Amino acid sequence: EVQLVESGGGLVKPGESLRLSCTASGFTFNFYTMHWVRQAPGKGLEWVAFISSASNYIFYADSVQGRFTISRDYANNSLYLQMNNLRADDTAVYYCARGSLLGGQGTLVTVSS
Amino acid sequence: QSALTQPRSVSGSRGQSVTISCTGTSSDVGGYSDVSWYQQHPGKAPRVLIYDVNRRPSGVPDRFSGSKSGNTASLTISGLQAEDEGDYFCCSYAGNHLVFGGRTKLTVL
Repeated sequence: EVQLVESGGGLVKPGESLRLSCTASGFTFNFYTMHWVRQAPGKGLEWVAFISSASNYIFYADSVQGRFTISRDYANNSLYLQMNNLRADDTAVYYCARGSLLGGQGTLVTVSS
Repeated sequence: QSALTQPRSVSGSRGQSVTISCTGTSSDVGGYSDVSWYQQHPGKAPRVLIYDVNRRPSGVPDRFSGSKSGNTASLTISGLQAEDEGDYFCCSYAGNHLVFGGRTKLTVL
C-alpha cells in the first residue's frame, strides 16, 4: 500500500526557514514524479512544487519561486522541501504527493511573529 | 476559479447512487491516467477514495468507484450512506504540476 508520511512542520517567525520531509513506501520511489501541495486554513489545495523521477526537472508555483527548494533522496525514499524567507501567507498544512495521490495527514507550518 | 470543473452540489437518497464529475482538458485529466478523488470534512485532512483514475486504497469501501472518459473523470458512490455526506474534490496530474477541482458538496437525503 502506498504510504506518504510528512514531517518537519512547526511555528516559525517571518523570514525564518524550515525543512519539510516526506518518507515514501509501498511503491518504487525512483519511478514517480513527486510534488508538494499545501492547504491554507479554510482554503482549497494549492500546488507548490514538482520534481521529476530523475530530479532533472523541477518547477515551482510563482508564489514560492526563489524561496522554496524541492529535492529527493533515492537512498532513503524521501522527498524534501526547504522553505526559506517564510511569510505569513505560507501558513498551511503541507502534503507531499505521488502524482495526484496526496500524503496522509500532512504537516502544519505556521508563520507568525 | 479551479482548474478542474466540478458541480457545486449533488444529492441522493440513502441507498441510491450519485456521480460527481470532474472536467478538465487534454493537458490534465484527458492526458494522463493520474486522477484522484478525495473526501474532506472541515478541519480534517483529505481522505483519498480513488487514485490512478480507478484504484481504491485498502479500507475504502467498494461502493466508491472511479472512471474517466476523455477529459472528464467521474466518482460514483453507490448505496449512499449518511456518513458519505461531505465535500469531495478531484485532483489531476498536469505534466509538471497538479490541478484541483472545486468542492462538490454531497447531501444524503
